[in-house]
Amino acid sequence: NAGVTQTPKFRILKIGQSMTLQCTQDMNHNYMYWYRQDPGMGLKLIYYSVGAGITDKGEVPNGYNVSRSTTEDFPLRLELAAPSQTSVYFCASRGKNEKLFFGSGTQLSVL
Amino acid sequence: AQSVAQPEDQVNVAEGNPLTVKCTYSVSGNPYLFWYVQYPNRGLQFLLKYITGDNLVKGSYGFEAEFNKSQTSFHLKKPSALVSDSALYFCAVRDNSGGYQKVTFGTGTKLQVIP
Repeated sequence: NAGVTQTPKFRILKIGQSMTLQCTQDMNHNYMYWYRQDPGMGLKLIYYSVGAGITDKGEVPNGYNVSRSTTEDFPLRLELAAPSQTSVYFCASRGKNEKLFFGSGTQLSVL
Repeated sequence: AQSVAQPEDQVNVAEGNPLTVKCTYSVSGNPYLFWYVQYPNRGLQFLLKYITGDNLVKGSYGFEAEFNKSQTSFHLKKPSALVSDSALYFCAVRDNSGGYQKVTFGTGTKLQVIP
């Protein structure tokens, strides 16, 4: 039982490049979330999903896209990367007991 | 709309002393409240939650929190701090009314336990 797995752990992008952050969970959770963590700002919700095929915007969705084709996977796509997207990204899933399980994070730098 | 406020960026406490990390919340409906801890270069780990029932909830590692509806607070407490408790602590809320599924986090409080 691996929990929530995120890849890659680190990535450096050039301005204007695109990439996909992968997130997979093996707990059969319906609810999944993407957050970004910036120093002193806490965690900001980017997108979330309540089940396969259903996604919705969080607080800071601009510059990002998501899809949820299966219960297990919830990838986050960055289009046209900008320096403001330099951050640490966390994926999480939530089960019926309300606990969020977090991945280990992706540290992204856009230069 | 829902929100969480953690008024202290950092809390310093001597080892063996009691600690409190403050959190206040705002929701339109029924709050589900949580505390998470983040150790350096790690993801967040669940500590405890308030869903319903007793206002005092106990969680992992000897932590507890008290739900106070009149003051809209959910402060994290521990009777005797350990150096290993030094970490970043986040309060979070989910408004359970109307099928609302977003979970909102505070800005975090860095706890420093001094030997």
